[in-house]
Amino acid sequence: GAVVSQHPSWVICKSGTSVKIECRSLDFQATTMFWYRQFPKQSLMLMATSNEGSKATYEQGVEKDKFLINHASLTLSTLTVTSAHPEDSSFYICSARAPLGTGRAKNIQYFGAGTRLSVL
Amino acid sequence: ELKVEQNPLFLSMQEGKNYTIYCNYSTTSDRLYWYRQDPGKSLESLFVLLSNGAVKQEGRLMASLDTKARLSTLHITAAVHDLSATYFCAVDSNSGYALNFGKGTSLLVTP
Repeated sequence: GAVVSQHPSWVICKSGTSVKIECRSLDFQATTMFWYRQFPKQSLMLMATSNEGSKATYEQGVEKDKFLINHASLTLSTLTVTSAHPEDSSFYICSARAPLGTGRAKNIQYFGAGTRLSVL
Repeated sequence: ELKVEQNPLFLSMQEGKNYTIYCNYSTTSDRLYWYRQDPGKSLESLFVLLSNGAVKQEGRLMASLDTKARLSTLHITAAVHDLSATYFCAVDSNSGYALNFGKGTSLLVTP
């Protein structure tokens, strides 16, 4: 079964609205989660590293005020796309790496199912 | 800047044929990952290669890692249509456990 759960899987919203995407690690505690974005026919690009209990670390060129990340617990990270615009339409994927001692295969990064965002 | 380069980016091959996808990366890394992505889906982990000379096989796919050459290969044996997908290699980034991905190889296996 899924190790990392991501919701929603698909969302359509109007331009100017905000969308929240949730990423949950189901059977291990993830102090760090990652958010990637993938445009059609392209590779995954890291947007930010979500750190439990502290501020996220954003990659260069990613607007932290537009892509709000909250990692309030060891099993949940959220990405909120604020004031979404059509150019934000993309496939957003979260991931988490199981730490040692969780019973999960170490060195494997588990990915959520992804969220397809379409901004009209 | 860490670079991960895959080739080819597009590959059309007939069923039953063999082919190799190459992944070069620019900095030292002892871990390399291969993922499969079907259209509209997320990533499925195929292989994790953890040391120089590592070779892993699953079905018709075999992956290897040469850390000295900074090269990994994904070899496809006797391709079947079900292998049609996009394949990504990835290495750990310099800033932690996030991954740096190659551009992906879009594989189409035809009858």
